[in-house]
Amino acid sequence: NAGVTQTPKFQVLKTGQSMTLQCAQDMNHNSMYWYRQDPGMGLRLIYYSASEGTTDKGEVPNGYNVSRLNKREFSLRLESAAPSQTSVYFCASRGWGAEAFFGQGTRLTVV
Amino acid sequence: QQQVKQSPQSLIVQKGGISIINCAYENTAFDYFPWYQQFPGKGPALLIAIRPDVSEKKEGRFTISFNKSAKQFSLHIMDSQPGDSATYFCAAHFNKFYFGSGTKLNVKP
Repeated sequence: NAGVTQTPKFQVLKTGQSMTLQCAQDMNHNSMYWYRQDPGMGLRLIYYSASEGTTDKGEVPNGYNVSRLNKREFSLRLESAAPSQTSVYFCASRGWGAEAFFGQGTRLTVV
Repeated sequence: QQQVKQSPQSLIVQKGGISIINCAYENTAFDYFPWYQQFPGKGPALLIAIRPDVSEKKEGRFTISFNKSAKQFSLHIMDSQPGDSATYFCAAHFNKFYFGSGTKLNVKP
């Protein structure tokens, strides 16, 4: 039972490049989330998906897009990376029990 | 505007001491208050959680105290151990999770 799996674990991008962060969960959860974590700022919600086929903006959605491909997968896309998007990105999922399960994170550096 | 305010930012406690981390919120619609523990290089993991109809919840050395009227809740770690050294996040949930800014706990041997 893998839980929440994120790929890649590390990535270095040049300013202006694009990339997609992948997330998959095997717990049959309806809700999925993308957070970014920056020092001293905790976890800030980028986008979330309450159920398959729906997505909503969080606190810091600018510069990102998401796709809820199916119930298992929720991807985060950076169309034109900027140094301000250097961060650690976490995907999470949540079922009816209210507990959120997090992936191991993707450490992204934009140079 | 930060929905959940957490303090202190960092905390140093001697082994065997009590660690206390505090959080405050404004939105009375929040219906679930979890605490997450995060070790370096890892994702946050649920430590303990409480719902607003309960004033206290204890699991082993970890206790949440919840004061609904003051809109505050806190995490108490009794008999703190070096292995408890980690970053702790409080959170509140209503449709989605709102996280505090985190507390880095260092338990000295």
